[in-house]
Amino acid sequence: GDSVTQMEGPVTLSEEAFLTINCTYTATGYPSLFWYVQYPGEGLQLLLKATKADDKGSNKGFEATYRKETTSFHLEKGSVQVSDSAVYFCAFATGGYNKLIFGAGTRLAVHP
Amino acid sequence: SQTIHQWPATLVQPVGSPLSLECTVEGTSNPNLYWYRQAAGRGLQLLFYSIGIDQISSEVPQNLSASRPQDRQFILSSKKLLLSDSGFYLCAWTDPPNYNEQFFGPGTRLTVL
Repeated sequence: GDSVTQMEGPVTLSEEAFLTINCTYTATGYPSLFWYVQYPGEGLQLLLKATKADDKGSNKGFEATYRKETTSFHLEKGSVQVSDSAVYFCAFATGGYNKLIFGAGTRLAVHP
Repeated sequence: SQTIHQWPATLVQPVGSPLSLECTVEGTSNPNLYWYRQAAGRGLQLLFYSIGIDQISSEVPQNLSASRPQDRQFILSSKKLLLSDSGFYLCAWTDPPNYNEQFFGPGTRLTVL
């Protein structure tokens, strides 16, 4: 069935380090792909999205490329900041009503 | 602009008690509405979605129910809470012409003791 697999956290990095959070999905067809971010005590915010193969979503220095051949949507950032500390969720939309299937989330902790 | 509200923000309830969580959306019409739950240390699971008033679809069998008495109001309920109902409940909406993004509310943290 439909599912998303994310790398387990927590991921602990020093400020200005390079970040990669892996995400692969199992889905029927070619769904839209998303990264959502959840800051401590808050709801989810859309970070970036890609709607078709080879699209690159980007926002706030984060990037992810829709790789159809590997069914992946890995999140990257070249230089993380303490303010990037949060939980990151990979997701895709399925079905006719935009139901989202989420990964388990990856907690990122960035230290000064 | 559109906003989404949830209340209460936090709730502590005893096992066996009833539950009512409310979600309202402002600034849009005929949205699709969704209830998700985030259990401790786990990802989000879609519980219910609604494409219109009194049109509710359940994604997983459980102790909860949902209702949509008005276009922009979505309510999550239970007659008798279980310990396993504890979690962070998130409401979301999407505008049907723009299915590519869902907007989430601030969430309700429910602890069942």
